[in-house]
Amino acid sequence: KAGVTQTPRYLIKTRGQQVTLSCSPISGHRSVSWYQQTPGQGLQFLFEYFSETQRNKGNFPGRFSGRQFSNSRSEMNVSTLELGDSALYLCASSQGDQETQYFGPGTRLLVL
Amino acid sequence: DQQVKQNSPSLSVQEGRISILNCDYTNSMFDYFLWYKKYPAEGPTFLISISSIKDKNEDGRFTVFLNKSAKHLSLHIVPSQPGDSAVYFCAASAFQGAQKLVFGQGTRLTINP
Repeated sequence: KAGVTQTPRYLIKTRGQQVTLSCSPISGHRSVSWYQQTPGQGLQFLFEYFSETQRNKGNFPGRFSGRQFSNSRSEMNVSTLELGDSALYLCASSQGDQETQYFGPGTRLLVL
Repeated sequence: DQQVKQNSPSLSVQEGRISILNCDYTNSMFDYFLWYKKYPAEGPTFLISISSIKDKNEDGRFTVFLNKSAKHLSLHIVPSQPGDSAVYFCAASAFQGAQKLVFGQGTRLTINP
């Protein structure tokens, strides 16, 4: 089976712009979670989608949003980018509750 | 409030010896624990997991031990190999909000030949 794929792998944006990141889960996986990794805060949970519904949300401002499509693919959007949004954004998929989450390679976002 | 802590930022071990990575948690609602390994510029790779109904789980060279009363888990790698050099993260989740993993800060493991 193909693993979790994320596009794009690298992205450079400027403050105030918005960005959309994409994640394709492993075939058959219905749950997609997003995480942000920064040197200062480590790996932090953003949100999780299951069957097109957001089930869990981390402590991030409303500028961070996401959605899931009927084929389980997911996108996350960050509006009004700030310098502190520079990070590695990781997507993980799993079959269901408390099933192992498998991570994609991540999208590295740099905000200038 | 860091609910999952890995107090050793780095660990250096001789090839062939045992590597022991430690993790402590504070939230008693956590009932599922995982270890991931991460190389630079890649996503975390799943290694091994354990549910709170067990105190040990083994998979090849990797063994995870869970001490619920101490809220402590550890990952043992034996024998350690150069390819094991990476950053190791422990993660935890509670049944409610099960897909929300809470990660430790990671431990950089270096295996010396």
